[in-house]
Amino acid sequence: DADVTQTPRNRITKTGKRIMLECSQTKGHDRMYWYRQDPGLGLRLIYYSFDVKDINKGEISDGYSVSRQAQAKFSLSLESAIPNQTALYFCATSDPGLAGRTDTQYFGPGTRLTVL
Amino acid sequence: KNQVEQSPQSLIILEGKNCTLQCNYTVSPFSNLRWYKQDTGRGPVSLTIMTFSENTKSNGRYTATLDADTKQSSLHITASQLSDSASYICVTGGGATNKLIFGTGTLLAVQP
Repeated sequence: DADVTQTPRNRITKTGKRIMLECSQTKGHDRMYWYRQDPGLGLRLIYYSFDVKDINKGEISDGYSVSRQAQAKFSLSLESAIPNQTALYFCATSDPGLAGRTDTQYFGPGTRLTVL
Repeated sequence: KNQVEQSPQSLIILEGKNCTLQCNYTVSPFSNLRWYKQDTGRGPVSLTIMTFSENTKSNGRYTATLDADTKQSSLHITASQLSDSASYICVTGGGATNKLIFGTGTLLAVQP
């Protein structure tokens, strides 16, 4: 979805390197998310942010950090990349929906990260 | 353990045929159930969202059903098209932060 963009789309790096994945959105949503997708597993939440001053850990935040630079920008960093962080990473945004329960999430195209 | 299980893992059908994908969940708390379509190499796209009080919801040729008593949902695709070839992901939401739990998806291939 062009409303949510991710850079880079593909990245190969080496163990121990610091990596930043960037996400930008033009949907005007306050809520943003970072997920990873591994073969045979469902998407898993890494971090989420409900507004610029709100950052929350997801279920698999170890080894990752995030920065919400503005409403439209949410970056994910791997401080010291390791091979088991090789995965497909998705950024998503949402509006609150019905009392926050039925918010539609809009996903970016993904970043394929390979850590050697 | 909170889980979302989908079946079958993969499915091949002929263009024009109908199919039904299944989702069973053992998630608590539960407040909503979603179906997403994910084309190869792309991000998931929302098809339907149902709250626990809804039984069915349609989006064009896609119809989702929900039975909150048996904790089952299905996604029915009518008159399949080649463009329906994708992975279909079932997702539950619940709790104070509406935590989403994703299934592993059913990979559908529609052949001419």
